[in-house]
Amino acid sequence: AQTVTQSQPEMSVQEAETVTLSCTYDTSESDYYLFWYKQPPSRQMILVIRQEAYKQQNATENRFSVNFQKAAKSFSLKISDSQLGDAAMYFCAYRSAFDSGYALNFGKGTSLLVTP
Amino acid sequence: DAGVIQSPRHEVTEMGQEVTLRCKPISGHDYLFWYRQTMMRGLELLIYFNNNVPIDDSGMPEDRFSAKMPNASFSTLKIQPSEPRDSAVYFCASSSTGRLHSNQPQHFGDGTRLSIL
Repeated sequence: AQTVTQSQPEMSVQEAETVTLSCTYDTSESDYYLFWYKQPPSRQMILVIRQEAYKQQNATENRFSVNFQKAAKSFSLKISDSQLGDAAMYFCAYRSAFDSGYALNFGKGTSLLVTP
Repeated sequence: DAGVIQSPRHEVTEMGQEVTLRCKPISGHDYLFWYRQTMMRGLELLIYFNNNVPIDDSGMPEDRFSAKMPNASFSTLKIQPSEPRDSAVYFCASSSTGRLHSNQPQHFGDGTRLSIL
């Protein structure tokens, strides 16, 4: 089974600054998808950004971007111009591209604190 | 468009009681997932369905847990009898197949916070 590791239980960033959240994964598959989900105190799971393993170009969604290093099995999330509303738990998730593996494997999460 | 709808949002019950959690997936989605979130274990898959058929239930902790999907618009997760260690947030999510091997994301409901006393 694929494992996802988020080595930073907590991170802190000042408003308007940039922060990077780390994620590594272990897999023997060549085709897969990676996601970052945000979980604010309201408990919702909100998709932030997604990446296909076969694409070399890093995904970007407004202030959110990823650094996908396939050989290193690394998938970090960069948040630019941090806002107070970015404070939340962030989960990295892996999903196989094969029919039998549509479920998500989640990391343990990183709690992001944004200070004024 | 309505998202994934879960009910109840909160459930508090006593040990030994039967608990039923409900989920209505997004219309047109052919995959439905049940996840459990705890502080100790994080988010873990319990079971998922494709076209109403259970595909992988290896995450269901024990026989006290059961899940059904009688039709494309409704699923239940039942715990009988419930125990304090079942206390957690239970999420339902749905997704569509889309193009073969496409990265269709899973859309999550707001979760049910279950407390077993």
